[in-house]
Amino acid sequence: DAGVIQSPRHEVTEMGQEVTLRCKPISGHDYLFWYRQTMMRGLELLIYFNNNVPIDDSGMPEDRFSAKMPNASFSTLKIQPSEPRDSAVYFCASSPPFHGYGYTFGSGTRLTVV
Amino acid sequence: SQKIEQNSEALNIQEGKTATLTCNYTNYSPAYLQWYRQDPGRGPVFLLLIRENEKEKRKERLKVTFDTTLKQSLFHITASQPADSATYLCAPSKAAGNKLTFGGGTRVLVKP
Repeated sequence: DAGVIQSPRHEVTEMGQEVTLRCKPISGHDYLFWYRQTMMRGLELLIYFNNNVPIDDSGMPEDRFSAKMPNASFSTLKIQPSEPRDSAVYFCASSPPFHGYGYTFGSGTRLTVV
Repeated sequence: SQKIEQNSEALNIQEGKTATLTCNYTNYSPAYLQWYRQDPGRGPVFLLLIRENEKEKRKERLKVTFDTTLKQSLFHITASQPADSATYLCAPSKAAGNKLTFGGGTRVLVKP
């Protein structure tokens, strides 16, 4: 199993541009999570899905952020327009519906907005 | 609101000794508590999960305790090795598959 796959690995963009981050979860995992990590705020949950349905998006900072999961094998996190304060590492994670196995995280996307 | 506290100061320890990390939580009654390891430039990696009805869980050189009265979990690395140097994160949760809120993590540095 290749694990959770995120792309791109690094993204540098100018303020005001649209940014799309991608995630492929592990096959058979019913839950998918998007996290953001910064030195100041640590690891913050943005949104999570269960069986492709968004369950809790209370962590999404503002309307500039949106996430979709059109099928069980793909999810996107979009920021439009991007701002310098969005600079962070964005992680996608997936987990099976039963406990005991924890989450499997991707390698993350390091986003820099200049 | 829920609060999860881990010692933000790095823990420096000599190789071979036992490292003990603390995770305290308030305004929360989790049914599970998970521990993760994170290396620089990488995503967190799941290590152990302990349930509220379990007092202790072990995996190789790792041991986790869960005290629901004290609202605290302790994470021990016995016979520590330089390869154990990393940041360790705790994350309580209410139910299976439920969202995890992570503590700020404690960085461990094992010196040879």
